[in-house]
Amino acid sequence: DVKVTQSSRYLVKRTGEKVFLECVQDMDHENMFWYRQDPGLGLRLIYFSYDVKMKEKGDIPEGYSVSREKKERFSLILESASTNQTSMYLCASRLQGRDTQYFGPGTRLTVL
Amino acid sequence: GENVEQHPSTLSVQEGDSAVIKCTYSDSASNYFPWYKQELGKRPQLIIDIRSNVGEKKDQRIAVTLNKTAKHFSLHITETQPEDSAVYFCAASFRSNYQLIWGAGTKLIIKP
Repeated sequence: DVKVTQSSRYLVKRTGEKVFLECVQDMDHENMFWYRQDPGLGLRLIYFSYDVKMKEKGDIPEGYSVSREKKERFSLILESASTNQTSMYLCASRLQGRDTQYFGPGTRLTVL
Repeated sequence: GENVEQHPSTLSVQEGDSAVIKCTYSDSASNYFPWYKQELGKRPQLIIDIRSNVGEKKDQRIAVTLNKTAKHFSLHITETQPEDSAVYFCAASFRSNYQLIWGAGTKLIIKP
């Protein structure tokens, strides 16, 4: 079974803090994704990476950056957290050329 | 921009009845349409998908239909059971299948 893990299930940070969210997958998937999930808005793509050191902006990249130094790990960085970044963050991975995305359990981030 | 509209946002059905969720997409080049189920507190998981060269696909009690001309696709669940209660997301492929555009989600409630 594909396993996608995220570093924290719940996280509380203060406005202005730098926040790191980490995602690790154990199935050698090339593609990895970061989404945020908000009620009534579905899943919105923040960034994705189609391979190591490759990244592309999604629909809502403002205020976020990413890092993919190793194939199994994809990090989402909030350089200076703001209250409007309070959300559920979901990571996903996918084998190149396949369709199914496998999701992590999510990190519920609260920015105070 | 490209988008996927999903209706209804909430659907309440009696146990044993059928449920239908509909999605409309805007990108005529979309060729892959998955449905994901997210149970409360859990990660989204793929339950069924369809490609644009197929009009219908079934898997036990769930089925998906696609109307390419009208650019809409639907999820059908028959003989609903309590374990079908969840949020269901539709999506459509966008830009060489690296990305999916997601619907806003439908909360399905199964009444005993």
